[in-house]
Amino acid sequence: EPEVTQTPSHQVTQMGQEVILRCVPISNHLYFYWYRQILGQKVEFLVSFYNNEISEKSEIFDDQFSVERPDGSNFTLKIRSTKLEDSAMYFCASSRRGGNEQFFGPGTRLTVL
Amino acid sequence: SQQGEEDPQALSIQEGENATMNCSYKTSINNLQWYRQNSGRGLVHLILIRSNEREKHSGRLRVTLDTSKKSSSLLITASRAADTASYFCATGLNPGGGNKLTFGTGTQLKVEL
Repeated sequence: EPEVTQTPSHQVTQMGQEVILRCVPISNHLYFYWYRQILGQKVEFLVSFYNNEISEKSEIFDDQFSVERPDGSNFTLKIRSTKLEDSAMYFCASSRRGGNEQFFGPGTRLTVL
Repeated sequence: SQQGEEDPQALSIQEGENATMNCSYKTSINNLQWYRQNSGRGLVHLILIRSNEREKHSGRLRVTLDTSKKSSSLLITASRAADTASYFCATGLNPGGGNKLTFGTGTQLKVEL
């Protein structure tokens, strides 16, 4: 069964460094998402992406964040200058259409020191 | 209460019993999805119910949706120890084709042998 994959599973970085989190969505899906979950808290929406552009973003998704679909399979989240409060589990998700089920990847645990 | 609040926060039952979790939300929705999350792991999609549906079944899962009360329930019948996990409802509005999900706080279900 096709699934969303994410790499790396765990990323440790120093404050101020740039990180790129990678995702491979399910191949026939058209909508892509990033969410994050700070330890012990709710899952929070960051951004949705469709037709090579951002369709919606949350207040969390400020100028330090960017997303890209550099080729036909990868979907990346870049944090330009990480802060301590960016430490969280980051989940990528994809869906075939906007109103359909979203399938989540296993997540990347980002630790900012 | 916030968009997507589940109750109870924690539920402990014996294997074989049924587990019922409730979710309330505040705004209009296009669909509501239930997810399971094992400790520290990714989100597994369980079931999606659209705003024009009242009930849906999938295996041992039964979901109801009452849009007049802005609430949903998830029933797991004949529970098993492997059902031990956190369960989240997530509401989708589908504005402009995307479908940003707003997650609840979750119910921690423990099924004991």
